[in-house]
Amino acid sequence: EPEVTQTPSHQVTQMGQEVILRCVPISNHLYFYWYRQILGQKVEFLVSFYNNEISEKSEIFDDQFSVERPDGSNFTLKIRSTKLEDSAMYFCASSGLDGASEAFFGQGTRLTVV
Amino acid sequence: QKEVEQNSGPLSVPEGAIASLNCTYSDRVSQSFFWYRQYSGKSPELIMSIYSNGDKEDGRFTAQLNKASQYVSLLIRDSQPSDSATYLCAVCHTGTASKLTFGTGTRLQVTL
Repeated sequence: EPEVTQTPSHQVTQMGQEVILRCVPISNHLYFYWYRQILGQKVEFLVSFYNNEISEKSEIFDDQFSVERPDGSNFTLKIRSTKLEDSAMYFCASSGLDGASEAFFGQGTRLTVV
Repeated sequence: QKEVEQNSGPLSVPEGAIASLNCTYSDRVSQSFFWYRQYSGKSPELIMSIYSNGDKEDGRFTAQLNKASQYVSLLIRDSQPSDSATYLCAVCHTGTASKLTFGTGTRLQVTL
């Protein structure tokens, strides 16, 4: 069964450092998303990406964040200068373009900023 | 502010019973509704989607949608210990793929 895969599963970084989280969406999907979940809190939308551009972003997704689809398979989230409050689980998701909007999530990357 | 509200629980049901999970949403133009299951430390796993008023059944799961009341529910029949998890209600505000707004989730405990 096709699935969304994310790497790494766990990333520890020092405050102020840049991190790149990687995702391989389901191959025939066209919409890609990043969500995050701070420990004990709800899943929050960060950004959606379609046709090689951002289609929507939340207020969380400020200038420190960027997304890229560098090739036909990968989808990345970059945080330029990490803060302690960026510590969270980051989930990549993808959905197809068939009139439905079922989104399938990857297993997540746990980001710890120290 | 588009909100999705769920009772955080825990909701405790005995094995074999029906678990009923509820969700309300504030945005009347919401069009797509989803239930995800999330085990502790894991990612959300899609269980059900529902787009029109009424019931939708898939195995032991039934989703119910009432747009007039802005209410969506999930019934789990013959609850199993493996159903113990947090169930997330998610709402999409457009008819095509777009962002999901999640509730805080209801923790379900199925007891032996």
